[in-house]
Amino acid sequence: QSVLTQPPSMSGAPGQRVTVSCTGSSSNIGAGYDVHWYQYLPGTAPKLLIYGDTNRPSGVPDRFSGSKSATSASLAITGLQAEDEAEYYCQSYDRSLSVVVFGGGTKLTVL
Amino acid sequence: EVQLVESGGGLVKPGGSLRLSCAASGFTFSSYSMNWVRQPPGKGLEWVASTISSGSYTFYADSVKGRFTIFRDNAKNSLYLQMNSLRAADTAVYYCASENCTIGDCFYDFWGQGTLVTVSS
Repeated sequence: QSVLTQPPSMSGAPGQRVTVSCTGSSSNIGAGYDVHWYQYLPGTAPKLLIYGDTNRPSGVPDRFSGSKSATSASLAITGLQAEDEAEYYCQSYDRSLSVVVFGGGTKLTVL
Repeated sequence: EVQLVESGGGLVKPGGSLRLSCAASGFTFSSYSMNWVRQPPGKGLEWVASTISSGSYTFYADSVKGRFTIFRDNAKNSLYLQMNSLRAADTAVYYCASENCTIGDCFYDFWGQGTLVTVSS
């Protein structure tokens, strides 16, 4: 059971907009800690997509965006492409556990 | 180009030991805190251990404290994870990851491709 809750799977058609949610609590996201997002393709290195809630590293397309509100965060992907089919993980810090925490991951399928 | 390449994974019996290595290139390794993160089969990511840039401070998840040791050799641009008293629950793909922090909050900006550790009799 992950501290941060994500939907296990989602799907969308090419060109659509999808939003992956990440729900935490008052001891992590709600405490003001940043949320970061990673894209993972099995067999490859996870890739940082969003850091500090809303920031994109150099090279990440602006189709990817992050937001945060209260005890939840979201990763939005617009203009969905076949290459976006991957697993997405959120990450934050939990002050009660005093440890970095991850979501359980969301497998995105592009139809 | 930043590269992190893990090695050393494999099949080990419960109670056994294994040492993972991570070779870093493309950045000033000695300036960054480094971490090990693992992903058990069918499960999510779990932070395992971290070490600051000098290696003088280390931190561990409760699940591995006392059994795993993270250390680094900045002269060789390498990170290590010595794993002792291995359990079936330690079965996972292990990733090394560089750490970046902004105003106290930290994230992992570069990752390796991982090395699989299987603990089974």
